[in-house]
Amino acid sequence: SYVLTQPPSLSVAPGQTARITCGGNNIGTRSVHWYQQQPGQAPVVVIYYDTARPSGISERFSGSNSENTATLTISRAEAGDEGDYFCQVWDTNTDYWIFGGGTKLTVL
Amino acid sequence: QVQLVQSGGGVVQPGRSLRLACTVSEVAFGTDEIHWVRQAPGRGLEWVAVRSFDGSRQSYGDSVRGRFTISGDSSSNTMYLQMSGLRTDDTAVFYCARGRGADSFNVWGRGTLVTVSS
Repeated sequence: SYVLTQPPSLSVAPGQTARITCGGNNIGTRSVHWYQQQPGQAPVVVIYYDTARPSGISERFSGSNSENTATLTISRAEAGDEGDYFCQVWDTNTDYWIFGGGTKLTVL
Repeated sequence: QVQLVQSGGGVVQPGRSLRLACTVSEVAFGTDEIHWVRQAPGRGLEWVAVRSFDGSRQSYGDSVRGRFTISGDSSSNTMYLQMSGLRTDDTAVFYCARGRGADSFNVWGRGTLVTVSS
């Protein structure tokens, strides 16, 4: 089955750029969605279809996807960006939805 | 703003059954699907299953196929997840979420905790 690999954790200083990666075999040929989950809350989509940003999501959030790596970029990181981030793809062959293992972002 | 209201959940013994419900405030029949996603304590997200409101599409993850069943009640805009043969490793917060085809899950319920323990 298709596997998405994320680093378990990432720390950045306030104001710096956080880049969260999601690795998968030829993931660039798939559409990737990204979710933010803060403690005790349901996930919220922050990027969909690789690069699109929902209304209400800060323009500091952006996405890219090429070859074997999709990346969620958070510019000018803030304390409020802390949380867990998950990438997601739909495997059309099996009709399964697959999540990456998640990356815990710390801003300090 | 579409809302998903969840009910059900609780503590259940191994081998027993439990049903979760997810009521959607507004449904676009023919396009809306409800996914169930679970999160074990301290772990990541795991997709469980999906069903469209018109019943045309239904799919289950490997870990629950044959034990869990999704059904829908279009008259009340409610989707159910019937869970049987529960195991201790089914312990998790279960979320329902709205999707449409390949779209992201753009609306989520608040989640409900299922604890499987003797």
